[in-house]
Amino acid sequence: AQSVAQPEDQVNVAEGNPLTVKCTYSVSGNPYLFWYVQYPNRGLQFLLKYITGDNLVKGSYGFEAEFNKSQTSFHLKKPSALVSDSALYFCAVRAPGGGADGLTFGKGTHLIIQP
Amino acid sequence: NAGVTQTPKFQVLKTGQSMTLQCAQDMNHEYMSWYRQDPGMGLRLIHYSVGAGITDQGEVPNGYNVSRSTTEDFPLRLLSAAPSQTSVYFCASSPSLISGNTIYFGEGSWLTVV
Repeated sequence: AQSVAQPEDQVNVAEGNPLTVKCTYSVSGNPYLFWYVQYPNRGLQFLLKYITGDNLVKGSYGFEAEFNKSQTSFHLKKPSALVSDSALYFCAVRAPGGGADGLTFGKGTHLIIQP
Repeated sequence: NAGVTQTPKFQVLKTGQSMTLQCAQDMNHEYMSWYRQDPGMGLRLIHYSVGAGITDQGEVPNGYNVSRSTTEDFPLRLLSAAPSQTSVYFCASSPSLISGNTIYFGEGSWLTVV
């Protein structure tokens, strides 16, 4: 069975600084990796995904993520944080060879951007 | 294009009551699913469907029923609500079972069981 770990419950970053939200995964075979963002009292919004190809994936709102197979990681990054980036971020993995059992999520990381 | 629509947004139930959370999608997606979100636990899969007439259990199915009579609708039924079912529920859909397809989520239903 696949699993996802987000080692930090909360990440604090000053506005304008680069941010990183960490994610590691465990899955048999090639992973399909996703990042979602959740604003208060809202649903999950898709940010980006890695399927195959270039290890650096670009997504919505200036976010990007780097897939590292040897370290089984898929960290979310942004060069310059905005206060509006403050939200709950989820990393997720979907099993290869058919995704009937959906996404396996990490526990989420609260990102707080300080003005 | 409305995407994935869930109703109600908020609901308070008494222990033992039953209710149905509605979910509809207008994207002609084959795959639909229900998740629950609890603090510090991420999202966990309750039930899913790979097409009309086909449903299966996820990680935490106990206390919930689903049916899929049409491609568009995937209601989640709580048969006898318990306080442990207090949670935020998300309906989601995806074009197919292909693992690389993005899963799209509704806005959520906040359920409190007292």
